[in-house]
Amino acid sequence: GDSVTQMEGPVTLSEEAFLTINCTYTATGYPSLFWYVQYPGEGLQLLLKATKADDKGSNKGFEATYRKETTSFHLEKGSVQVSDSAVYFCALSGGGTALIFGKGTTLSVSS
Amino acid sequence: DVKVTQSSRYLVKRTGEKVFLECVQDMDHENMFWYRQDPGLGLRLIYFSYDVKMKEKGDIPEGYSVSREKKERFSLILESASTNQTSMYLCASSFGLARGTGELFFGEGSRLTVL
Repeated sequence: GDSVTQMEGPVTLSEEAFLTINCTYTATGYPSLFWYVQYPGEGLQLLLKATKADDKGSNKGFEATYRKETTSFHLEKGSVQVSDSAVYFCALSGGGTALIFGKGTTLSVSS
Repeated sequence: DVKVTQSSRYLVKRTGEKVFLECVQDMDHENMFWYRQDPGLGLRLIYFSYDVKMKEKGDIPEGYSVSREKKERFSLILESASTNQTSMYLCASSFGLARGTGELFFGEGSRLTVL
């Protein structure tokens, strides 16, 4: 079945460092791909998405490119801030009703 | 803005109690979901509903039931709470396949502790 694998955390960075969180997927067909973010004490909110191959989703300085050839959707940010400290989830929608989520990666940014 | 509202942010219950978690959305979404979130396990789907009175089991339905009597409301029921159901419960909603891309909108979560 469809699945999502993302790098295990926690990821600990200093402010202004470059961030990459890896996400790979297994799916039949052509899924839509998502990154969600969960700030402490809150629910999940959509960070960005891409619905077809080679699409780039972007929001708040974060970017991810839908790579069909490597079945990947890695999240990147050029310069992280303390306020980016959160849990990040990669997810796919394979045409069914429910999203399939990765296990989440905790990011901690220190000043 | 889409709003998904969960009735309780924090609950403490005793083993064997019946627990109701309520969720309401205001965007006329067809689909509604209940997930639980545990450290190291990510989000696991308990149940979802694609229409009023319709429900489908997710990955971990055991020990839970759901009710959807109105389109905007989706309830999760723990018939007899147990300590291993201590968790964060997240409700979400989305448009159906005909109208949406699969994007989910989440509530803020309900943290349940069963003693």
